[in-house]
Amino acid sequence: GENVEQHPSTLSVQEGDSAVIKCTYSDSASNYFPWYKQELGKRPQLIIDIRSNVGEKKDQRIAVTLNKTAKHFSLHITETQPEDSAVYFCAASYNQGGKLIFGQGTELSVKP
Amino acid sequence: KAGVTQTPRYLIKTRGQQVTLSCSPISGHRSVSWYQQTPGQGLQFLFEYFSETQRNKGNFPGRFSGRQFSNSRSEMNVSTLELGDSALYLCASRSGSYFGPGTRLTVT
Repeated sequence: GENVEQHPSTLSVQEGDSAVIKCTYSDSASNYFPWYKQELGKRPQLIIDIRSNVGEKKDQRIAVTLNKTAKHFSLHITETQPEDSAVYFCAASYNQGGKLIFGQGTELSVKP
Repeated sequence: KAGVTQTPRYLIKTRGQQVTLSCSPISGHRSVSWYQQTPGQGLQFLFEYFSETQRNKGNFPGRFSGRQFSNSRSEMNVSTLELGDSALYLCASRSGSYFGPGTRLTVT
């Protein structure tokens, strides 16, 4: 069935370092891969997304890469700041986001 | 534009009761999807609606149902509540681009 595996479950970095979160999806029909940031007690917020016809996308300090052959996609955050601390979720969808299958989340902690 | 809104924000119910949750998407957005978030299972897909039609349904029992109205507002209903239904119920508009604040349901 549809499944998204996300690693690591927790990640602690020093301010200024880079953070990488990796996801693997099972449904080869998946064509849309968003990433969400959820701060404690708040709603998930879409921070970046990538579609299956693109291999990489960047937005300031955040980048996402997609390897369709290996069914892997990753989130890269450079120059991390304490306000980047949150839980990050990856997701995969075969219908452009109407039905999202989420990974289990990564709790990122950025230490000043 | 106002964001995605959900009512009520908090709800306490007893086992066996039923509950109805409401979601209003951002004006002009015609798709609404619902998710259940729990510490153990994470975010799980419940339903997706577009123009009053259910386009997808997740792997939840028949006690979970939903609908969408002509103004794009959506409701979900859970009948015969169980303790395990305690969760944060989130809705999203425009295919997951914008999430609402959620309804925190506690079943006692």
